[in-house]
Amino acid sequence: DTAVSQTPKYLVTQMGNDKSIKCEQNLGHDTMYWYKQDSKKFLKIMFSYNNKELIINETVPNRFSPKSPDKAHLNLHINSLELGDSAVYFCASSQNAVRGYTFGSGTRLTVV
Amino acid sequence: DAKTTQPPSMDCAEGRAANLPCNHSTISGNEYVYWYRQIHSQGPQYIIHGLKNNETNEMASLIITEDRKSSTLILPHATLRDTAVYYCIVGLTGANSKLTFGKGITLSVRP
Repeated sequence: DTAVSQTPKYLVTQMGNDKSIKCEQNLGHDTMYWYKQDSKKFLKIMFSYNNKELIINETVPNRFSPKSPDKAHLNLHINSLELGDSAVYFCASSQNAVRGYTFGSGTRLTVV
Repeated sequence: DAKTTQPPSMDCAEGRAANLPCNHSTISGNEYVYWYRQIHSQGPQYIIHGLKNNETNEMASLIITEDRKSSTLILPHATLRDTAVYYCIVGLTGANSKLTFGKGITLSVRP
């Protein structure tokens, strides 16, 4: 079983569309994260949730809205997609970062 | 901003030990040192972490200097599959943990 799974793996969409990326973890972790890796390969944290509560919001445009229906899921909804949103988005989870974070395999978003 | 500095790249021969350095001179007393790697465009993979003492697991060893201002990740017998970007990160544990990735070091293992 995949510990942290993201869907879809690839997403190609037009500017102005709204899309969602889903993330699920089966590790029983309390905290989940979204990271963005741009074309220059920098990994930047976007959000973190602990037990469904928003903990970190790194000045991400409000077109990005995370939703955590339960502690095993953290979805990312993006409104009015822009070309600059093209990137690989990684979901991760941890149990208080005691053993670091476990990352998913990423969702490659391409906005055309 | 990342609180660590790493050389941009290094290489080593297959089968030899790879020693990856990291400076974290502004590390605070309760921050851990974490190492991750990212192979091609896969998700980052946790390798090891430590606070003060040296640590070893099945993947690597972590040597932290006594003043905690620098550390070295050691891959004892590098293989071609260890070619990746390696990130040294300092951060806190707990629900408010936020691991900030820098540029990392690109390790190339040559045959």
